[in-house]
Formats: sequence, structure tokens, C-alpha cells
Amino acid sequence: ETGVTQTPRHLVMGMTNKKSLKCEQHLGHNAMYWYKQSAKKPLELMFVYSLEERVENNSVPSRFSPECPNSSHLFLHLHTLQPEDSALYLCASSPTSGSSDEQFFGPGTRLTVL
Amino acid sequence: DQQVKQNSPSLSVQEGRISILNCDYTNSMFDYFLWYKKYPAEGPTFLISISSIKDKNEDGRFTVFLNKSAKHLSLHIVPSQPGDSAVYFCAGRGTGGSYIPTFGRGTSLIVHP
Repeated sequence: ETGVTQTPRHLVMGMTNKKSLKCEQHLGHNAMYWYKQSAKKPLELMFVYSLEERVENNSVPSRFSPECPNSSHLFLHLHTLQPEDSALYLCASSPTSGSSDEQFFGPGTRLTVL
Repeated sequence: DQQVKQNSPSLSVQEGRISILNCDYTNSMFDYFLWYKKYPAEGPTFLISISSIKDKNEDGRFTVFLNKSAKHLSLHIVPSQPGDSAVYFCAGRGTGGSYIPTFGRGTSLIVHP
């Protein structure tokens, strides 16, 4: 497996469920990101991890909880979500978080909250 | 406040013609701009970038033009091919403490055979 992978690709959950999104990068990068893409809106940065430490949290509600156990894996734990949280969640990685390198994105997880 | 604006949600072009995708930005701290391309069911992939010290960068059929005074950039694709049909995202990045790009909403390009 190469590049950035995300699982699951599709997820339907109720508002009281707890689920997790997983991202894995095989590029040897040190920075990983979570983005949210809602319909007709720009890509919204949610979290940034650099060398497994969270360096940025863009005022994301606490019902989204990230976890970065090592530089290759990133999780997004979901709890008591709202229907408006339905969106495409994209993971990305880059060599570092402070360079001019471009980001490499995964295919995304399409989340539907009922 | 949207710092990167792609005001055309969609663009339709005939194969072989030029596609021009536009992007405006408001943050004068941006000094590096990127274009990403996204196919359905895939994540965005990097396409081309330009530094603010340049006004043009070319890579094969893709050319990005930057007009700093107007805070405007455009992506030209010539000749356009049906495989270019995708959503194109413009992003700006600055030196004000964060190298993380700010994205626009994207423009959906359809190239007709």
C-alpha cells in the first residue's frame, strides 16, 4: 500500500454512536492533517499533528477527538455527532508542517450522520 | 471571512480549447499558491504551484498566472482534455506563522469530447 489511505471509505452513524476514522500514510512524512469538506464549502482544516504532537486545532467541537499514536497513523474519534457533521473527511500528510511542501491527501471518508 | 475565493462553481469547455480557472484572495500575507485537482471518490492531488516572487509558472499543459496587485491568480489548461474533468481547488499559504494552506471552494471543470 502506498500513499495515504483512509478507512472506512463510507460511514453512516446515528447521533448517539461512537465511531473512529483511520488514516495511514506510507510516505515517511512527519505531519498529518484532518480536513472537513462540506458541500459547497472550502476545505476546512480541523487538526494538524507534527511529530505526533497536535500543533493546531481550528476551534473544532469536542465531539471530534483526534489521536496520533505515531507519525504514520492518525485517527478521528467521533462521538454524539450532529446531522450537520455529515461531510467528506479528508486526511493529508506532508514532510513537515512548516515547509513549502505540498500535502498528499487520502481518498476521504464520506460520513453521514442520521 | 473567506480568504480564498473561487467564484465560479463550475466551468464547461470543449476538448482542445483553453480552460481558465480563476481564484481571488484577500490575505496579503499569502506568498505561495497551490492548485489541487480532485476526481470523484479520490482525495485532492497537487497540480502546480507558484511563489509570490513570480508571475507565471508553467508545467506542460498547465500554467498558473499570479497578479499580486489584484490578488488574483488563474490556472490555464491548454489544450483541455476530457481527463481534465475534475474539481480544481486553489489554495494560498503565508508566512504569518503557519504554512498550512487555506483552500477555496473549488471549481468543477467539465471538458466535453
